[in-house]
Amino acid sequence: NAGVTQTPKFQVLKTGQSMTLQCAQDMNHEYMSWYRQDPGMGLRLIHYSVGAGITDQGEVPNGYNVSRSTTEDFPLRLLSAAPSQTSVYFCASSSKASAVGTQYFGPGTRLLVL
Amino acid sequence: AQSVTQLGSHVSVSEGALVLLRCNYSSSVPPYLFWYVQYPNQGLQLLLKYTSAATLVKGINGFEAEFKKSETSFHLTKPSAHMSDAAEYFCAVSSIAGGTSYGKLTFGQGTILTVHP
Repeated sequence: NAGVTQTPKFQVLKTGQSMTLQCAQDMNHEYMSWYRQDPGMGLRLIHYSVGAGITDQGEVPNGYNVSRSTTEDFPLRLLSAAPSQTSVYFCASSSKASAVGTQYFGPGTRLLVL
Repeated sequence: AQSVTQLGSHVSVSEGALVLLRCNYSSSVPPYLFWYVQYPNQGLQLLLKYTSAATLVKGINGFEAEFKKSETSFHLTKPSAHMSDAAEYFCAVSSIAGGTSYGKLTFGQGTILTVHP
């Protein structure tokens, strides 16, 4: 199993550009999430999905868009990049069958917005 | 509402010494608690989790944590530090009260563990 995969690993954008961060999982997990990690702030939830076609906002959703057309994929779109979106982005998935809801994380995407 | 506070953003120990990373939580429902470890330039790896089955939880790499409801704490310990333990550690609480609902994870700020020879 590949688990949770993310592409690209690293990206540099100019202010105002748009891009999509890709996330895929092969564990047939129903739940998927996007987090951003900033120094001294831990990880903060951006958006999450409880199944194909269903998404909801997390703690810091502004400037990001998501959709979930399949169980496997959960892309994160930056509509108009800003320097404040410079961060490390992690995708995670978890199984609905798990009462505890342990989340499994991808390797991350480092984003630099100039 | 739920929150997590990790006391100490940096902890430094000598190889072979006790490791103690502190975590206090706040939750309106009985919590599920997690410790994750992040090695440099990698994603988060689950170290251990508390699921209400036992208050002392053993994880990978010799780590363990004890859930203390009266103190709202879930401190992480390891009797003898190894150089390979150097990493950033995150405590997290889940909003799941039980069942199969999606549980939002709330993370602490992280503690960077440095191990000296």
